[in-house]
Amino acid sequence: AAGVIQSPRHLIKEKRETATLKCYPIPRHDTVYWYQQGPGQDPQFLISFYEKMQSDKGSIPDRFSAQQFSDYHSELNMSSLELGDSALYFCASSQGPDTQYFGPGTRLTVL
Amino acid sequence: DQQVKQNSPSLSVQEGRISILNCDYTNSMFDYFLWYKKYPAEGPTFLISISSIKDKNEDGRFTVFLNKSAKHLSLHIVPSQPGDSAVYFCAALGTGNQFYFGTGTSLTVIP
Repeated sequence: AAGVIQSPRHLIKEKRETATLKCYPIPRHDTVYWYQQGPGQDPQFLISFYEKMQSDKGSIPDRFSAQQFSDYHSELNMSSLELGDSALYFCASSQGPDTQYFGPGTRLTVL
Repeated sequence: DQQVKQNSPSLSVQEGRISILNCDYTNSMFDYFLWYKKYPAEGPTFLISISSIKDKNEDGRFTVFLNKSAKHLSLHIVPSQPGDSAVYFCAALGTGNQFYFGTGTSLTVIP
């Protein structure tokens, strides 16, 4: 069965650069969630989208923005990167308020 | 291919009784496992973890059991409380600090 796809799997950036992470949900899933997991920390909910509209917002910094496109894929844009942004970024998808299926994550390293 | 599986999408338990949530994995290289709890519209909350060198870890009402030979772990909640009603995810740590999540089990504790 198709799973959640995230790209890239690994990304290395320097401070003050910009990064874009992509998430392709499971087909027919209409909800996408983004999480950030720092080293040794629990995942932190960032933001979610339902039917291409922002549905919930967590601890997402102002330097980050995200959107869900007409094909339901989502992109997380991160600007003015800081060392503390180095983390594993998970995307999950669901069909409405149902079980979330997590992607493999994108590991972002900011140097 | 799903490397961490939670074959029961839902579970209902009477308040005060034991809840047992199960998780199976396929990769024998996984050496660290976690359980997360998630309420609707919130990010996952870390519950309890276990290293592969142990077969049991207990924290209050929560106990996780690991059977490496069977590639199986379970979370026991006793006594179950209505506030425990949530979706529970197990996750396994693979190489490169990549967490593989199960698909979740929705627990309902009936008062």
